[in-house]
Amino acid sequence: AQKITQTQPGMFVQEKEAVTLDCTYDTSDQSYGLFWYKQPSSGEMIFLIYQGSYDEQNATEGRYSLNFQKARKSANLVISASQLGDSAMYFCAMREGTSGSRLTFGEGTQLTVNP
Amino acid sequence: GAVVSQHPSWVICKSGTSVKIECRSLDFQATTMFWYRQFPKQSLMLMATSNEGSKATYEQGVEKDKFLINHASLTLSTLTVTSAHPEDSSFYICSARTPGYTFGSGTRLTVV
Repeated sequence: AQKITQTQPGMFVQEKEAVTLDCTYDTSDQSYGLFWYKQPSSGEMIFLIYQGSYDEQNATEGRYSLNFQKARKSANLVISASQLGDSAMYFCAMREGTSGSRLTFGEGTQLTVNP
Repeated sequence: GAVVSQHPSWVICKSGTSVKIECRSLDFQATTMFWYRQFPKQSLMLMATSNEGSKATYEQGVEKDKFLINHASLTLSTLTVTSAHPEDSSFYICSARTPGYTFGSGTRLTVV
């Protein structure tokens, strides 16, 4: 079974509008971490935001916020005030357990910001 | 912050030759390094996990004799693609376990 599911292969948004990228996960661990990365065409992986399973507040980092709904096992990324430079592939990833664990990635969502 | 330097950024090699990819942690000690492969428009797939001073742990389906991983020091991990073939053409990227995960910039390998 897929541990991380991103159901939107592609998303389009108008510049300056907000967009939500969906991510659902599956784990039986009580302790886990959820990450979002941005991958532009250059290939580098840019860390955006992190949410721990025990964090009660939704994580926010500038224009990025994570809508964490633990009971529904979802960790959607919200990008506010989209910019042309936000066009990229976005990956949701999960770390199970507390330390030394690898990241498991979703299939990714290609976001295109239109002027 | 933590930086992982990955080289080369891109490489073209002939079929049957070997290619070595290096990942160096510049300002920290990387006890654990993860190696991923990514085909175009696909996700990152973990190939192996290396720990300094011990043998790498390979994911199911990854040929350990073809993808040799060495993590002999706390600042250097290498991936060698041996006897490369066109189907090995891909994007390879390393990631060090820091408090989070620090990625190298990736290597685009093309085997002709």
